[in-house]
Amino acid sequence: EAQVTQNPRYLITVTGKKLTVTCSQNMNHEYMSWYRQDPGLGLRQIYYSMNVEVTDKGDVPEGYKVSRKEKRNFPLILESPSPNQTSLYFCASSLPPSGGSYNEQFFGPGTRLTVL
Amino acid sequence: EDQVTQSPEALRLQEGESSSLNCSYTVSGLRGLFWYRQDPGKGPEFLFTLYSAGEEKEKERLKATLTKKESFLHITAPKPEDSATYLCAVQASFQKLVFGTGTRLLVSP
Repeated sequence: EAQVTQNPRYLITVTGKKLTVTCSQNMNHEYMSWYRQDPGLGLRQIYYSMNVEVTDKGDVPEGYKVSRKEKRNFPLILESPSPNQTSLYFCASSLPPSGGSYNEQFFGPGTRLTVL
Repeated sequence: EDQVTQSPEALRLQEGESSSLNCSYTVSGLRGLFWYRQDPGKGPEFLFTLYSAGEEKEKERLKATLTKKESFLHITAPKPEDSATYLCAVQASFQKLVFGTGTRLLVSP
């Protein structure tokens, strides 16, 4: 089954304790992104990657790191989490655009993070 | 600044009562407008992509339309299983997808 998986699905941690949220897709997609979803603000892009070793900042990258060492995996790293990073996080993947037309993104099930 | 505004924030319908959801956008160069459905506790699920004004797409009870300034998601004779949050997003530039805050739809039997 074609899917994007995220782990963990739920995480409660404390301020300053480094954590990693994993993301993996089995569709051989070049493009991957991380979003956070907050009430009243919608989905906002944190980082994106166009292929292995190619990443760039989205709209809200502060406090986050990413890496893309393999095509299928795109982990999100919070080196020193703070309470304002409490949110619902989604990983997504897609094929690259073709003929100027962008393709839909496939989203993972989400990771609910609480930072105390 | 690229912006997407969805209205209404919430909508309650009786089963069979047709209605429309609105997505207004301002973007420097539209490279695609996307509609997603999101159920509680789940990730967004793709519904439609529209690329140019005048384009329409249909899927079961849903029909999406696009003008130069807005898109509508028409829901015909909705059923309770259509209850969800519907998200609109515009592809504003390379790899930048701007989302609206969504419309929460509740369809009562």
